[in-house]
Amino acid sequence: GAGVSQTPSNKVTEKGKYVELRCDPISGHTALYWYRQSLGQGPEFLIYFQGTGAADDSGLPNDRFFAVRPEGSVSTLKIQRTERGDSAVYLCASSLRGGANSPLHFGNGTRLTVT
Amino acid sequence: TQLLEQSPQFLSIQEGENLTVYCNSSSVFSSLQWYRQEPGEGPVLLVTVVTGGEVKKLKRLTFQFGDARKDSSLHITAAQPGDTGLYLCAKNSGYALNFGKGTSLLVTP
Repeated sequence: GAGVSQTPSNKVTEKGKYVELRCDPISGHTALYWYRQSLGQGPEFLIYFQGTGAADDSGLPNDRFFAVRPEGSVSTLKIQRTERGDSAVYLCASSLRGGANSPLHFGNGTRLTVT
Repeated sequence: TQLLEQSPQFLSIQEGENLTVYCNSSSVFSSLQWYRQEPGEGPVLLVTVVTGGEVKKLKRLTFQFGDARKDSSLHITAAQPGDTGLYLCAKNSGYALNFGKGTSLLVTP
């Protein structure tokens, strides 16, 4: 009965390093979303998975960002050559089916700080 | 890109006061969702409104969807410190949700 779990809760890395952020969705939820929230902003959409495939990755800001969901459950967001501007809270959400009528359940996020 | 405008950006009131926050767009929504986010946590869905003119109540919270489905409001009666948080509206764009910047509400005892 656990909710969406994100690890780590906090990550500090140096500029130029590679990071991976993990999301464990609610069991049985086929849809998974990644959002990024900067200070004073609402969450910004990054990518949406339906099962194992990325159905919409239009929100990824550039090719340094990549996400996978190889078995249709856990997802990993990967950021290469991190920049200070990548500092934000990265939120993961899951929903039963995806789409407008399937509510999103968010995790508590990973706070990424790039120094 | 934020397609939804929320106002006010910040609101600080005392316990027991009433307040209204707004969410507006230049385009029509098929549906609109309201979320509340507390510090260090993810947003939690409060309500979804679908029909123009629709009013939904959740205890002391009243949500209204404009007749033209381009705007929505959230009214809180007799605010309590537990209502403190960031109130976000969001609309569907394909499978994604697009959020406004939110209204940050502080209710002091």
